[in-house]
Amino acid sequence: DQQVKQNSPSLSVQEGRISILNCDYTNSMFDYFLWYKKYPAEGPTFLISISSIKDKNEDGRFTVFLNKSAKHLSLHIVPSQPGDSAVYFCAARPDSNTGKLIFGQGTTLQVKP
Amino acid sequence: EAGVAQSPRYKIIEKRQSVAFWCNPISGHATLYWYQQILGQGPKLLIQFQNNGVVDDSQLPKDRFSAERLKGVDSTLKIQPAKLEDSAVYLCASSPEGRANYGYTFGSGTRLTVV
Repeated sequence: DQQVKQNSPSLSVQEGRISILNCDYTNSMFDYFLWYKKYPAEGPTFLISISSIKDKNEDGRFTVFLNKSAKHLSLHIVPSQPGDSAVYFCAARPDSNTGKLIFGQGTTLQVKP
Repeated sequence: EAGVAQSPRYKIIEKRQSVAFWCNPISGHATLYWYQQILGQGPKLLIQFQNNGVVDDSQLPKDRFSAERLKGVDSTLKIQPAKLEDSAVYLCASSPEGRANYGYTFGSGTRLTVV
């Protein structure tokens, strides 16, 4: 039972353009959503999060949008840079009392110079 | 601050052998997590410790996996006996408290190959 899904295994964009990574979820009880970035041979690093009571959170070039009615969130990177090339995981928190996160399968982003 | 340290980085074992992984979290972090990441999938939580007590081990295959966190600091994860499907990257993470809404810090992981 895949509660968090990233349906696009890969995405390729040109440097300077917008990257949009998508994530769908099935559990309406998730209260927090996070995005992590992972480079090869490294652990995932936290990028940005959003509470389920918000619909947008922005941090520099990164913006996360949440559409609760569609159970969909997206990460926008503007402008995209070659250093953004990595695997991006979305994750959801099912229980506010613990730290457990449920991760999607990941999307590999390639930003071409 | 120093990050989450894990060792070894790589391990190759034969099926039915045993293996152990070690994790040293960020100093002062009360909560420690072990995740399993199989190739092509996202990380899956195996066990969460709060200090030296277990908070969640619902997805830990307890017939072969065990974990401990002595003195609420370092942790070890053991697999005995290993199966082919245990081939994965084992990630350790830590956070100052149990709530993950601001993310937590992962180590670089241990890549296990079972042959």
